[in-house]
Amino acid sequence: KAGVTQTPRYLIKTRGQQVTLSCSPISGHRSVSWYQQTPGQGLQFLFEYFSETQRNKGNFPGRFSGRQFSNSRSEMNVSTLELGDSALYLCASSSVAGGGDTQYFGPGTRLTVL
Amino acid sequence: QKEVEQNSGPLSVPEGAIASLNCTYSDRGSQSFFWYRQYSGKSPELIMFIYSNGDKEDGRFTAQLNKASQYVSLLIRDSQPSDSATYLCAVEKRTYKYIFGTGTRLKVLA
Repeated sequence: KAGVTQTPRYLIKTRGQQVTLSCSPISGHRSVSWYQQTPGQGLQFLFEYFSETQRNKGNFPGRFSGRQFSNSRSEMNVSTLELGDSALYLCASSSVAGGGDTQYFGPGTRLTVL
Repeated sequence: QKEVEQNSGPLSVPEGAIASLNCTYSDRGSQSFFWYRQYSGKSPELIMFIYSNGDKEDGRFTAQLNKASQYVSLLIRDSQPSDSATYLCAVEKRTYKYIFGTGTRLKVLA
């Protein structure tokens, strides 16, 4: 079974721009969660989508948004990029929403904001 | 107080020794506990999970959970240089969110 895929793998943007990241979960998985990983803060939960609905949201500003499509693929958008948004963005998929199942991570998208 | 706390390390152990990694959490209602391994520049990969108090063994790995004391640990027996990585503890809260610790860096010395 193919794993979680994320595109693009690397991205360089400048302050003020916006960016869209994509995640395709493991076949059959309907839950996709997004995380931001930085050296100082570690892995921080952004949001979770299940069956095209946002189920949970972390403590991030409204500039961070996401959506999920009927095929369970998910996109994350960050508008008005700031230098502090430079991070590794990871998505993880699981078969059920929220708890009760383990999450499997994709390879991540490394975003650099200049 | 952070919701999930881990000693950042590095924890250095000689090859063949037992590495002991610890994690404490603050939400008593937390339900599930996970250990992930992350190599530098890579994404986290699941090692094992534990739901019930006690020990759970999987090969060279043993997870230990003590809900009364709110800690979970990971023991790695016969540590190998290839085990050198950052180990992340994750806790599933009642709100069905996963909270990660900042990780413990393990170095296994050949």
